[in-house]
Order: sequence, then structure tokens, then C-alpha cells
Amino acid sequence: SAVISQKPSRDICQRGTSLTIQCQVDSQVTMMFWYRQQPGQSLTLIATANQGSEATYESGFVIDKFPISRPNLTFSTLTVSNMSPEDSSIYLCSVAGTGGSNYGYTFGSGTRLTVV
Amino acid sequence: KNEVEQSPQNLTAQEGEFITINCSYSVGISALHWLQQHPGGGIVSLFMLSSGKKKHGRLIATINIQEKHSSLHITASHPRDSAVYICAVTGNQFYFGTGTSLTVIP
Repeated sequence: SAVISQKPSRDICQRGTSLTIQCQVDSQVTMMFWYRQQPGQSLTLIATANQGSEATYESGFVIDKFPISRPNLTFSTLTVSNMSPEDSSIYLCSVAGTGGSNYGYTFGSGTRLTVV
Repeated sequence: KNEVEQSPQNLTAQEGEFITINCSYSVGISALHWLQQHPGGGIVSLFMLSSGKKKHGRLIATINIQEKHSSLHITASHPRDSAVYICAVTGNQFYFGTGTSLTVIP
């Protein structure tokens, strides 16, 4: 299965600033997913990032707030823009296994974000 | 109502105990996943099931498609098993349960 390196592992940021989270995969993958886990909540899909096209955002998430880049098949970034304390969450990236979404997922180690 | 419900929400066990975590879902699925989340937030995929039963070490996962129910069992539990266990299903989209927080006491 793929191995994902996610950075940073944690950060404390000031209100109004932006943070960019990176995920590097050790193999080429078509689809990468970005999730948010707010305190005490389950994971919520933010968007699906395909290489060479605009990311597809889930209801409640917009590109201006969570811009995503996918410059190649092994790398993606998620930016949390103009942060507020409500953005304090764990952010995770994930990739589907070989053969598509029914063949298991690998998750990054997560980014624990605190906005003060 | 959540598409994926887990029980219990919290579980404390003595080392060596047999542990069961349950998951029920209400949507059509192509696969069910059991995930383990450690305190730092990182997630490891434990199992992906579409039918029957899978075993990996001390972990066993079962699924009953007709009853829309899955269980995760941990035999001979150990403090290093302490984590949040998340049930997730894939159908038209990915649905996650809220997790079961397991603490195993030495």
C-alpha cells in the first residue's frame, strides 16, 4: 500500500493567517482526498483532488477558504485560509488503494491545527 | 441520524480482555472499513470488508451485509491497543462513524 508523508504534524496559528498542509505519496495515485476532523467529531470529506483538474468540493466547503493544489500524481496541498478558531481541527489526506476506492485507503499522519 | 452508528462511544478494558466494537449503517455500501486513530491524529486502515470475516493478528472484523452490521474484535487486549476505532463505509460517498475511544488498562 502507499505511504503518505504529511506535514506539518501540528501548528498553532494566529487568527486571520493561512496554513498550507502538504501530502507527499510514495507512488502515483489518481485521487487524493482531504478530510477535516473537528474536536469530538467524525471525519468530514473536504474535497477530492485529481491531478490536472480543479478539486471537487463537498457541500459546505469552498475553494476560497480551502484552496487545493495537485501539481502531479504524488503531491497535493491544502491551504486553510483566513483562519478562525473554528478551523481548529485535525486535517488528513488520504489516497485510495490500487484499483480504486474499493481497495482500501491509506491516510496521512494528520495535521493538528490550533487557531488562537 | 448518522448513516454510520458505532457503539460503544467509550470503552475501558483491563489488559487481556476480549473487546468488541459494533458498527451499524443505513446506506448501501460497496465496502466497510475499520480505521484506528492514535492520539496524535494519524489514522491507520485496519480492514476493508465487503463480506464475511477478516483476521489480522489479534484483530478480527466481521460483516453481515443483510443486517448492515459489522463488528471489530480485539483478543487479548493490550495497552498499545488504546486508540479511537472508526467505522467507515463507502457507497456513493464515504461515511464515517464518530468513533469508539478504547482505553486498555495494564
